Amino acid sequence: AQSVTQLGSHVSVSEGALVLLRCNYSSSVPPYLFWYVQYPNQGLQLLLKYTSAATLVKGINGFEAEFKKSETSFHLTKPSAHMSDAAEYFCAVRMGGRRALTFGSGTRLQVQP
Amino acid sequence: EAGVAQSPRYKIIEKRQSVAFWCNPISGHATLYWYQQILGQGPKLLIQFQNNGVVDDSQLPKDRFSAERLKGVDSTLKIQPAKLEDSAVYLCASSFGGEEAEAFFGQGTRLTVV
Repeated sequence: AQSVTQLGSHVSVSEGALVLLRCNYSSSVPPYLFWYVQYPNQGLQLLLKYTSAATLVKGINGFEAEFKKSETSFHLTKPSAHMSDAAEYFCAVRMGGRRALTFGSGTRLQVQP
Repeated sequence: EAGVAQSPRYKIIEKRQSVAFWCNPISGHATLYWYQQILGQGPKLLIQFQNNGVVDDSQLPKDRFSAERLKGVDSTLKIQPAKLEDSAVYLCASSFGGEEAEAFFGQGTRLTVV
């Protein structure tokens, strides 16, 4: 079975501070990993994805994530938070083949002025 | 490029009534998903189609939920009869279907059952 764990349902940072959102996965096969962002009353938008080409993945809006197999982690970071980054962030995993994405429970990011 | 279209955006019904949601995926996307997102939770897969065939419906409450994808394009999701716990956002997504392919999401339909 595949699962995703996001540590911290709420994260609050100051504008300009480092953003770190945590994601751990469980997998018996090499996974494909994704980060999505959801703004209020909107669908999910892809930030970035890991597909085994490179362990450090750069996405949109200055976000990046590093795949660490030894730690089964895929944490999302951004060097400097902006007010517009306030949203819900979801980590998701696909175990390969034609399977659908399995999502974590989400982390709500709050950015303080 | 047009995104995934869903309608309606909002729906309020009484329990035991029926409701239907519609989804038009991105042109050329063979795979279509319906997810249920309860407030404060991540999306949960209800059903996955590959063209007009069902790939995974293991988490679909089949006693009340049904879905179809006619001609491998548009899809409808129906709930009959609705329960209070069905209050959620129903998200439709589509993808090319490859294992590296991301899913593109519509804006969702917010259902409130009273």
